[in-house]
Parts: sequence; C-alpha cells; structure tokens
Amino acid sequence: NAGVTQTPKFQVLKTGQSMTLQCAQDMNHEYMSWYRQDPGMGLRLIHYSVGAGITDQGEVPNGYNVSRSTTEDFPLRLLSAAPSQTSVYFCASKRGESYEQYFGPGTRLTVT
Amino acid sequence: GDSVTQMEGPVTLSEEAFLTINCTYTATGYPSLFWYVQYPGEGLQLLLKATKADDKGSNKGFEATYRKETTSFHLEKGSVQVSDSAVYFCALSGGTSYGKLTFGQGTILTVHP
Repeated sequence: NAGVTQTPKFQVLKTGQSMTLQCAQDMNHEYMSWYRQDPGMGLRLIHYSVGAGITDQGEVPNGYNVSRSTTEDFPLRLLSAAPSQTSVYFCASKRGESYEQYFGPGTRLTVT
Repeated sequence: GDSVTQMEGPVTLSEEAFLTINCTYTATGYPSLFWYVQYPGEGLQLLLKATKADDKGSNKGFEATYRKETTSFHLEKGSVQVSDSAVYFCALSGGTSYGKLTFGQGTILTVHP
C-alpha cells in the first residue's frame, strides 16, 4: 500500500512551458485534492474532486487544470507556467465520510 | 469565508520545555478542527482532530481542545523532544465544505537538546 504518490519530486520550468504533475492513490479514496504551499501562507486549495468525472475549483484555481478519469489518478496541469506558480504542490486524498486526509510527499516546482 | 490564524513563528525551545502554539478560527456552521505536522522533506500528517465543541484531540503527547466560545484550538505538549521539530499547521474543515481544508500559516518549531 503506497498511499499517495506524486511525481516528479522536483521540476524546473521556463515561463510559458506547460507540464503535468502526477498524483495517484491506491486506497480507493473518493476525494482527492491539490494544494500549493507558499511561505507564510500555509496551504491553499487549487482544485478538488469528489469522485471520478467530478472536479471543482478551490481557492486559487487560475492557471491550473485538472481531470479525474479514474478513482486512482488526479493529475494537475499547468497550462503556461508563470514565476508566480513557483511553489510546493501537495496532493491529498480521503474516504468520502472520513475526516483524515492523506498527503503525498510533494512536488517542488520552480518557474524561471 | 473561513479562515485560520496561527501564532507567528518560529518557535525555539529546549528539550523538555512546555509547548503552546495558538490557533484561532473564523467559520460559519460547525467546523471540524485539525492539527497537521510536516517533518522536514515530507508531506503533512494528521496529528490530532476534534469534531465538535469541547472535544479534546490528543496524540503523541500533544493535545488541543475545541473551544467554541473563544473560537480557538491551541496545541500543547508538556515536554517537547528534539524529534518534535517540524512545521505545525492548524486547519479547519467547514460543515458544508466536504473535506476542503483551510490552513493557518504554519508554525516552525525547533527543539534543541
């Protein structure tokens, strides 16, 4: 049972490039979400999904796209990277009725 | 909207000292409250939770009590260890938000031998 996995661990992009951050969980959790962590600001919700085929925006969705074609996977796409998207990105998942969210190890992204 | 305010850090303590990290919140309805911990280079882990007023969450010697009258959820530990050095986040999940977590800014704790 690997829990929540994220790839890559580190990534450097140039402004304007696109990329996809991968997130997968093997716990059959319905709920998955993406957060970004910035110094002094805690974690902020980008997008979330309550099940396959269902996604919704969080607090800071601009510049990011998500889809949920399977229960296991919830990729986050950066359409045209900007320096303001330099951050650490965390994926999380939980069972629908549970309080506890399980977080992945994070992806550190730098946009130059 | 919902918000969480944590005491500004960083906090530096000697081993066996008493720890308090303050957390207050603003939310509509009846939120659930959490403390998450992030060890260096890792993701967040749930440390403890409380889902209704006057509940006390506890784990690994840490405690926090859900105080609705003061909208607070302060984290305490009677005797910290070097291994407790980490970043601590207070968070809430609102009654109607189905799992969306609102986080405080995080407090860096460093414990010296």
